[in-house]
Amino acid sequence: QQPVQSPQAVILREGEDAVINCSSSKALYSVHWYRQKHGEAPVFLMILLKGGEQKGHEKISASFNEKKQQSSLYLTASQLSYSGTYFCGTASGNTPLVFGKGTRLSVIA
Amino acid sequence: DGGITQSPKYLFRKEGQNVTLSCEQNLNHDAMYWYRQDPGQGLRLIYYSQIVNDFQKGDIAEGYSVSREKKESFPLTVTSAQKNPTAFYLCASSTASSTGGTRELFFGEGSRLTVL
Repeated sequence: QQPVQSPQAVILREGEDAVINCSSSKALYSVHWYRQKHGEAPVFLMILLKGGEQKGHEKISASFNEKKQQSSLYLTASQLSYSGTYFCGTASGNTPLVFGKGTRLSVIA
Repeated sequence: DGGITQSPKYLFRKEGQNVTLSCEQNLNHDAMYWYRQDPGQGLRLIYYSQIVNDFQKGDIAEGYSVSREKKESFPLTVTSAQKNPTAFYLCASSTASSTGGTRELFFGEGSRLTVL
């Protein structure tokens, strides 16, 4: 089943913070986060594994609550380059990722 | 440079015609995937293959077919049976995961198919 992302869209000014949430109705083994700019391929941001270590970029981090089957992506001190659509992808074992519908993030000057 | 190459980037097709989208990777990845992207719908899985000569249906396989004769190639055919084929198609690959879950996906640039 497709994970649910919220919010669907958000507008930020440069320097502001944002949180994007991803929740699933199924027990999760891993959660992935990708960013896609308009007309381009999605680019991997990070993966969170059940019981494993978290990876991430400098000002972009994420959490994974296994019990609640939820993940949140944190964008700190947003930059114009952060604009794009963010997708979470979830896996419940050795299965391909199922992606959410995406969250459109717009950062304005 | 290693990566995934999709072609063509743009394709126009008349109703009733089959069309094949190419996907080639030189990352030596075992697993390959095809996703379809429609506005506001996210990425939906069409087919995937974890090893040569084997593939599985994804969530929306009807009207599509694939082959995996070589490790580096995973072409997708959009058949005339696909009712609404106009979409953005993304090919991806990953290393095989022996521990469960999936590895990072590497995506191609995509192919935009328009049916006239």
